[in-house]
Amino acid sequence: GENVEQHPSTLSVQEGDSAVIKCTYSDSASNYFPWYKQELGKGPQLIIDIRSNVGEKKDQRIAVTLNKTAKHFSLHITETQPEDSAVYFCAASMSPKTSGSRLTFGEGTQLTVNP
Amino acid sequence: DAGVTQSPTHLIKTRGQQVTLRCSPKSGHDTVSWYQQALGQGPQFIFQYYEEEERQRGNFPDRFSGHQFPNYSSELNVNALLLGDSALYLCASSFARGGPQHFGDGTRLSIL
Repeated sequence: GENVEQHPSTLSVQEGDSAVIKCTYSDSASNYFPWYKQELGKGPQLIIDIRSNVGEKKDQRIAVTLNKTAKHFSLHITETQPEDSAVYFCAASMSPKTSGSRLTFGEGTQLTVNP
Repeated sequence: DAGVTQSPTHLIKTRGQQVTLRCSPKSGHDTVSWYQQALGQGPQFIFQYYEEEERQRGNFPDRFSGHQFPNYSSELNVNALLLGDSALYLCASSFARGGPQHFGDGTRLSIL
């Protein structure tokens, strides 16, 4: 089955700096890669996603890049703010039209943005 | 537009008991997936329901079972509870035709 590895497990940055979280996946059939933000006491919230036919996607201060050949994808947050502090999870799945949409998650990254 | 709602928010049980957790999907969604999240770890896929049938299952024993109702809501049942079943149980809903999964805030299950 699919295996997703995520690094680093913890990341501390100063407000205004950039943060980068990296993930690798094992199954070349995976073609959908969402990123979730989980705040304390809450469920994961989708912040951005990318499909395998796209190399990069941006949404304001957040961007995701995908390298299918190397089987890795990254989350980039620019101009970080204290409210960005949370646990971030990457995930991978295959198209629901072929084999269902189960998500395989990484182990998470605790991001702390210091004022 | 209500998002995914789960009940109860917290639950305390003892070993050997049985528990039922409930989930109402986001309006319009027809597919429900359940995940188990142990403390400090990423969510692990339990199973997925669509058209009132289990469509996919993760690596969980058959003590874990589920149900989906005609209104797309779903239940997760766990029998013969073990200490290791203590976790946050998350429900996610989506469209069967594709699209992202949206999560509820989960049920925190503690086994004594």
